[in-house]
Amino acid sequence: RKEVEQDPGPFNVPEGATVAFNCTYSNSASQSFFWYRQDCRKEPKLLMSVYSSGNEDGRFTAQLNRASQYISLLIRDSKLSDSATYLCVVKPYAGNNRKLIWGLGTSLAVNP
Amino acid sequence: GAVVSQHPSWVICKSGTSVKIECRSLDFQATTMFWYRQFPKQSLMLMATSNEGSKATYEQGVEKDKFLINHASLTLSTLTVTSAHPEDSSFYICSARGVASGALDYNEQFFGPGTRLTVL
Repeated sequence: RKEVEQDPGPFNVPEGATVAFNCTYSNSASQSFFWYRQDCRKEPKLLMSVYSSGNEDGRFTAQLNRASQYISLLIRDSKLSDSATYLCVVKPYAGNNRKLIWGLGTSLAVNP
Repeated sequence: GAVVSQHPSWVICKSGTSVKIECRSLDFQATTMFWYRQFPKQSLMLMATSNEGSKATYEQGVEKDKFLINHASLTLSTLTVTSAHPEDSSFYICSARGVASGALDYNEQFFGPGTRLTVL
């Protein structure tokens, strides 16, 4: 089983749609969770951290389910500019080993 | 947010040559820098973790004699791809984590814009 798994998509949605991505992780002791966004041929950029209580930033909502070992990202009222690959990232260890484990990414295309 | 630069942004070289990629944190001190490689349609794969003033820690399967990492200062790390071959062609990205402070999320990694290496 991969350490971090995502549905690669692509997800094709019309503007204004709501779309949700899930990501599962294998290490139950994982410490921190993030969603990054990567545009084609660019570096990843942090979209949001995922907190145990769930968190929202504008149109984006992230949730963590430790019991089922998955995190989710919900995008409401999607815009054309939301088209990108969304990477699920997990920090499995505490302490000095700050290695991040990256999912393959979920591709989103928002269409006019 | 903090800024990380990489140089060069792209490079084309002949097989057998060595290529050096620089990663700089411009407005913060980076105690730890990470080097990643990304092949087309694949995720980022961590190659090595570099701590200032000490030897890099390489991930399994990454040849440390082929990918030389030097992190001589808190703002600069270099990756040298020695005797590059066509299969080394990839997108190399560095990221940096700063010293814990109120201004930066200690967990966040700041990424450079990447270096696209093509080996002919």
